[in-house]
Amino acid sequence: GENVEQHPSTLSVQEGDSAVIKCTYSDSASNYFPWYKQELGKRPQLIIDIRSNVGEKKDQRIAVTLNKTAKHFSLHITETQPEDSAVYFCAASKRSRQFYFGTGTSLTVIP
Amino acid sequence: DGGITQSPKYLFRKEGQNVTLSCEQNLNHDAMYWYRQDPGQGLRLIYYSQIVNDFQKGDIAEGYSVSREKKESFPLTVTSAQKNPTAFYLCASSIQTGQETQYFGPGTRLLVL
Repeated sequence: GENVEQHPSTLSVQEGDSAVIKCTYSDSASNYFPWYKQELGKRPQLIIDIRSNVGEKKDQRIAVTLNKTAKHFSLHITETQPEDSAVYFCAASKRSRQFYFGTGTSLTVIP
Repeated sequence: DGGITQSPKYLFRKEGQNVTLSCEQNLNHDAMYWYRQDPGQGLRLIYYSQIVNDFQKGDIAEGYSVSREKKESFPLTVTSAQKNPTAFYLCASSIQTGQETQYFGPGTRLLVL
């Protein structure tokens, strides 16, 4: 089955700086890669996703890059704000199969 | 997200007791999932269902059971065989398995008395 590894497990940045979270996956057939944000005690919510036919996708301060050859994808948050503080999860999947999640990154943005 | 609900918000289980967690969605999604979340371990899949009357075991199915008799509903039973059930349980749904966004319910926190 698929194995998704996520790094770092914790990340602290100053407000206004950028944050980068990286994930690797093992199954070259995986073709859908979502990122979720989970605030304390709340449900995970999708913040951005990317499919294998695209190398990069941006949505305002958030971007995701995908390197299919190296089997890794990354989340980039620019101009971080205190409300970006949360746990972020990456995931990988393919058609008719389950989603495989990384173990999460706890991001703290220091005002 | 408002289209998928879970109840109850908190659930207490006594030793040897089976308890059932409810998950309902009105999004007309075919696929539904149950995850268990423990601190530091991310989301672990218990069961998933691609379509009505069909479901597959996930990575940690032992001690759990599910049914999918209706498209809208995917209840999870935590049996007495699950010796360490204390966790946050999340239900999710997607249009189809593996290719579309998952929407999560608000979760049920299960505690053992």
